[in-house]
Amino acid sequence: SQQGEEDPQALSIQEGENATMNCSYKTSINNLQWYRQNSGRGLVHLILIRSNEREKHSGRLRVTLDTSKKSSSLLITASRAADTASYFCAGETSGSRLTFGEGTQLTVNP
Amino acid sequence: DAGVIQSPRHEVTEMGQEVTLRCKPISGHNSLFWYRQTMMRGLELLIYFNNNVPIDDSGMPEDRFSAKMPNASFSTLKIQPSEPRDSAVYFCACAWGGDQPQHFGDGTRLSIL
Repeated sequence: SQQGEEDPQALSIQEGENATMNCSYKTSINNLQWYRQNSGRGLVHLILIRSNEREKHSGRLRVTLDTSKKSSSLLITASRAADTASYFCAGETSGSRLTFGEGTQLTVNP
Repeated sequence: DAGVIQSPRHEVTEMGQEVTLRCKPISGHNSLFWYRQTMMRGLELLIYFNNNVPIDDSGMPEDRFSAKMPNASFSTLKIQPSEPRDSAVYFCACAWGGDQPQHFGDGTRLSIL
């Protein structure tokens, strides 16, 4: 079963614009992770935010976590064509178990 | 660091055949995970190991699926007999442990005819 639901399912923007993706989850988590997947490749870890954190930054990425609403958002600023990929959130529960959302397909047009 | 290595990258076989997928995790990572990705069901955890011991295999769809980790540097996922509905991309991932990012291989694209 899917832990998370991601919104939107697909997002198309122009290079230089910001992209925001949202994720909601159902059960208590230890942390929330975001991954990127390029076509035909494995998932690449982007950022991890722990349940006691509210916001985290890494380069052009900004992640927020609201445990009261069981939701997270990923903001990519100043997007580039190379950011085109699918983005997944995943909640970690006990024992390192990750449950993934359905993903957001991001297209950045040059 | 070579990352997680999976083989084969692609496998096409006929229904009823045995399929073996292989994974070499990153050295020193003591947790190993097998996932399956399909359009219909997304990314699902099949089984994971900690220090070579299977911890949770509740995601293994049925008895036709089995996974082993004979040592810290090698794991296999076997399907016997295979069925067309097993067609998917199978990923292996590893991590230092809990509360750590997972590192994925590039997957095995399996097609059962």
